[in-house]
Amino acid sequence: NAGVTQTPKFQVLKTGQSMTLQCAQDMNHNSMYWYRQDPGMGLRLIYYSASEGTTDKGEVPNGYNVSRLNKREFSLRLESAAPSQTSVYFCASDGGKLFFGSGTQLSVL
Amino acid sequence: QQQVKQSPQSLIVQKGGIPIINCAYENTAFDYFPWYQQFPGKGPALLIAIRPDVSEKKEGRFTISFNKSAKQFSLHIMDSQPGDSATYFCAASITSGTYKYIFGTGTRLKVLA
Repeated sequence: NAGVTQTPKFQVLKTGQSMTLQCAQDMNHNSMYWYRQDPGMGLRLIYYSASEGTTDKGEVPNGYNVSRLNKREFSLRLESAAPSQTSVYFCASDGGKLFFGSGTQLSVL
Repeated sequence: QQQVKQSPQSLIVQKGGIPIINCAYENTAFDYFPWYQQFPGKGPALLIAIRPDVSEKKEGRFTISFNKSAKQFSLHIMDSQPGDSATYFCAASITSGTYKYIFGTGTRLKVLA
């Protein structure tokens, strides 16, 4: 049982490049989340999806877009990466408690 | 009103000590208070959680104390071990809501052997 799977684990981008972070869960959960983790700032919510076909902005959505492709998959896209988006990104799904993926460490140069 | 304030930012204790991490909240609608443990290079994982109808919950060496009137809750780690060295996050949620979880800023704990 894989739980929440995130890809890639590491990524380096140049300013202005785009990329998509992938997330999939195999627990049949309705709600999924994307967080970013920065030193001293904890976990901040970027976007969430309460169910397939719905998405909503969280605390820090600027510069990001999301797609809830189906119940299993929730992707996060950076259209034009900026150095301020250097962070560790976590996907999570909610089954009464949050299950997190292992994270994507993203550096934007 | 949506913030959860966590302290201290970092903590160093000797093996066998009892580190205490504190959190405070403002929104009285919160009704679920979990603690997450995160090891380097890993995602956070649920450690223990409490609801406001009880003042204390123990699971092994981990205890949550909850003070509803003060809107504060804390994590105590009894007989701490080097393997407990990790970052700990408190959180608060409204279980009937869609966007549920507000996280504290985290506490980096180091337990010395």
